[in-house]
Amino acid sequence: SQQGEEDPQALSIQEGENATMNCSYKTSINNLQWYRQNSGRGLVHLILIRSNEREKHSGRLRVTLDTSKKSSSLLITASRAADTASYFCATNAQAGTALIFGKGTTLSVSS
Amino acid sequence: GAVVSQHPSWVICKSGTSVKIECRSLDFQATTMFWYRQFPKQSLMLMATSNEGSKATYEQGVEKDKFLINHASLTLSTLTVTSAHPEDSSFYICSAGSKAETQYFGPGTRLLVL
Repeated sequence: SQQGEEDPQALSIQEGENATMNCSYKTSINNLQWYRQNSGRGLVHLILIRSNEREKHSGRLRVTLDTSKKSSSLLITASRAADTASYFCATNAQAGTALIFGKGTTLSVSS
Repeated sequence: GAVVSQHPSWVICKSGTSVKIECRSLDFQATTMFWYRQFPKQSLMLMATSNEGSKATYEQGVEKDKFLINHASLTLSTLTVTSAHPEDSSFYICSAGSKAETQYFGPGTRLLVL
């Protein structure tokens, strides 16, 4: 079953703007991960944030986690056309168990 | 990083035939592998957990007799879609897990049933 919701479902921005996507989940988690998927392709792992972490950075990506609200956000700064893709959050309850994916946000960055 | 491969990358078959999809962990041993299905414009849905040397665990609503999973070795899990029908057309993705935090996803197999 789906773990939670992501919003917005779709986001269209101009190159250079920032994109923020949010993810909510329903149960206790071990960690939360964000993935990118280009149309018709496989998943690319972006970043993992553990349940005891609140913020993490990787290049132009910034992820926050609020376990009290059971939510996470992914910020992509200075977006590029190549960032156009679908973005999914995924959680698992314990290390080594299946990931449960959110519904995803489709990001379109126009040049 | 660890690599997971899937074969075939795409397959077209006639309704009623069976299709086997392989998932291999290329440089590590995976006691557990996971199979997901993704319909167009939707997210990944977990189908089943494949355990090496034992029976797979299926998610609610997934027919175990239709989606046969075999995990005979620490590097190979197979998913067989039996008597495939057009509604089984989808993108099938496997991942290999270990005790580590990161799972490694295969590139996916696109199945089209005519």
